[in-house]
Amino acid sequence: GAVVSQHPSRVICKSGTSVKIECRSLDFQATTMFWYRQFPKKSLMLMATSNEGSKATYEQGVEKDKFLINHASLTLSTLTVTSAHPEDSSFYICSGLGRAYEQYFGPGTRLTVT
Amino acid sequence: AQSVTQPDIHITVSEGASLELRCNYSYGATPYLFWYVQSPGQGLQLLLKYFSGDTLVQGIKGFEAEFKRSQSSFNLRKPSVHWSDAAEYFCAVGAGQGAQKLVFGQGTRLTINP
Repeated sequence: GAVVSQHPSRVICKSGTSVKIECRSLDFQATTMFWYRQFPKKSLMLMATSNEGSKATYEQGVEKDKFLINHASLTLSTLTVTSAHPEDSSFYICSGLGRAYEQYFGPGTRLTVT
Repeated sequence: AQSVTQPDIHITVSEGASLELRCNYSYGATPYLFWYVQSPGQGLQLLLKYFSGDTLVQGIKGFEAEFKRSQSSFNLRKPSVHWSDAAEYFCAVGAGQGAQKLVFGQGTRLTINP
C-alpha cells in the first residue's frame, strides 16, 4: 500500500514559538492531503484540506493564521503551528488522498507545548 | 450534518472469540463508509470500505462489515480474534464533495485477553 511519512514524530516546543510538521507521500503523488488533530482518547478531527499549488481549505473553527498549511509539491505538505500555546498540544495526523477515495495516513506527530 | 457513532468505547474479548464492533452513521445520501485500525506508532490503516453493491464487504486481516441501510449501521466483524488485533478501531463516513472528507466516530478500543 501507499506510504505516508511524517516528521518529526515527536516535538516539544516552548510557548510562543512556531513548529513545522512535514507530511510526505513516499510512493504516490497526493494532489490532496488532509490534516487532522486527535485529542487523547478522542476521535480524529479534520482541520484542513490542502491541494497542491493552491490555498488550503480550513474547517469551521480552525484558525488559519495559527495553523499554516503549505502544499508546495505533489509529495509534500507542511503544517506550521504558529505562536504555539499549551492548548495546541495534540497529536497531528496527515493523510494523502489516493485512488478510489482512499486516504493513506501518516503515523502522526505528537506536539507538546510547554 | 454527517456524523458517526461508535457506541462502545472499550471492548474486551478473549483470543479466539468472535468480535463485532458497532457503527451507526447519519448521512443524507448514499454513504461511503470505512473502517480503520490505529495501532501505537503506526498510521491509520484501512481495513475495508463500502461504496455500493454487495452490502457484505470483506477486508484485510479477516475482517468483514455489513452495510444495513435500514439501520444506518456498518458493523465490523471478525469470527476469531488474535492478540495482534488489539488496537483502536475507527468507523468513518466520507462526506463533502466527492466524499473526500472523512468524518470519524469516537473510536473503539479493543483489548484481547489471552
